[in-house]
Amino acid sequence: DSGVTQTPKHLITATGQRVTLRCSPRSGDLSVYWYQQSLDQGLQFLIQYYNGEERAKGNILERFSAQQFPDLHSELNLSSLELGDSALYFCASSVVGGGKAFFGQGTRLTVV
Amino acid sequence: AQSVTQPDIHITVSEGASLELRCNYSYGATPYLFWYVQSPGQGLQLLLKYFSGDTLVQGIKGFEAEFKRSQSSFNLRKPSVHWSDAAEYFCAVAETGANNLFFGTGTRLTVIP
Repeated sequence: DSGVTQTPKHLITATGQRVTLRCSPRSGDLSVYWYQQSLDQGLQFLIQYYNGEERAKGNILERFSAQQFPDLHSELNLSSLELGDSALYFCASSVVGGGKAFFGQGTRLTVV
Repeated sequence: AQSVTQPDIHITVSEGASLELRCNYSYGATPYLFWYVQSPGQGLQLLLKYFSGDTLVQGIKGFEAEFKRSQSSFNLRKPSVHWSDAAEYFCAVAETGANNLFFGTGTRLTVIP
């Protein structure tokens, strides 16, 4: 158990819909990272938050957004979903940037 | 920009045999380098990391990796593979001081009895 909790574990939704994925980092970790794992693109870094502020951005679509709340949990919002958004979405956390990141078990999103 | 290449998509080894998984990276400076393992239906578990210092890094589960700057490589090794090592292995690179990882495409390891 990495200590990073992601909910839900599985999500099935229709095209055009909007979903929210939630991540609770390890206790004391200020940084949260979101990754997408798909068959087409492999594992891709989406976005990082540090103590509530966006720190780094990767290949995140404009239809996707994230935020980190004062209690340090983070949410990834995916809107206008397309079939190609079906993937495993991972959250990771670390104390600060540049160190050991712990990954959650992921949320498997299926868009039908 | 950083990039990571894992040239072997799938490797099959016999239990007890030695293992080497290849990883080449592209980055201007000395990067942070990582190896992660993903078992079916599971998240990613960190096996080992290299930040600086000794170029031979020991990790968990008997794995080690060697950073070779001249070859831009960070190959993962294990002297004797166990059936439980069957999984997908990912090499990753991060900028110095950062933790947003750029992953390779992964190598799937099959272990046969």
